[in-house]
Amino acid sequence: DGGITQSPKYLFRKEGQNVTLSCEQNLNHDAMYWYRQDPGQGLRLIYYSQIVNDFQKGDIAEGYSVSREKKESFPLTVTSAQKNPTAFYLCASRLLASDTQYFGPGTRLTVL
Amino acid sequence: AQSVTQLDSQVPVFEEAPVELRCNYSSSVSVYLFWYVQYPNQGLQLLLKYLSGSTLVESINGFEAEFNKSQTSFHLRKPSVHISDTAEYFCAVSLNGQNFVFGPGTRLSVLP
Repeated sequence: DGGITQSPKYLFRKEGQNVTLSCEQNLNHDAMYWYRQDPGQGLRLIYYSQIVNDFQKGDIAEGYSVSREKKESFPLTVTSAQKNPTAFYLCASRLLASDTQYFGPGTRLTVL
Repeated sequence: AQSVTQLDSQVPVFEEAPVELRCNYSSSVSVYLFWYVQYPNQGLQLLLKYLSGSTLVESINGFEAEFNKSQTSFHLRKPSVHISDTAEYFCAVSLNGQNFVFGPGTRLSVLP
């Protein structure tokens, strides 16, 4: 059953703690993306990666970090430097030869 | 740089009535255009896309969108909506399938 999985679905964090969100895909897609979604603002790109061991900053990378050690995995770490981390985080992937991104179910992060 | 405007943040409509969700974009070069749908607490699903060719594109569940180059628009329409169409709809643009720019979204509420 192919697709993109994100875990956990809901995540709570105390202020000042780092937290890592998981994104895994078994679609053999080359590129992977992390977006942040806030009410009324649509999706904003945090980081993206087109190949293993390489990634680029998106529009709002400050306070976030990523790694791409495997083609299937693109974890996102929300660091304590992110001033307003409460949001819905979406992972997506795409074949480089394709024009369409496919999205995971998302992780809702709440900072207490 | 590209940008996307969705003029209506919320659109309430009665069941079986027609609906139009508006999308305008700004770009100095040709772009690909997409509509995605998001149900509550889920990821985004591709609804339809325009890459080239016929300016009218259709989805399998009755939605259609028309690309209008002169008005830089890609409005989404459905002649008769159902309760199950209640969701948030995002318009997006992409340069040759590369990174995407999303609009802020339109929340469609179908009323019985």
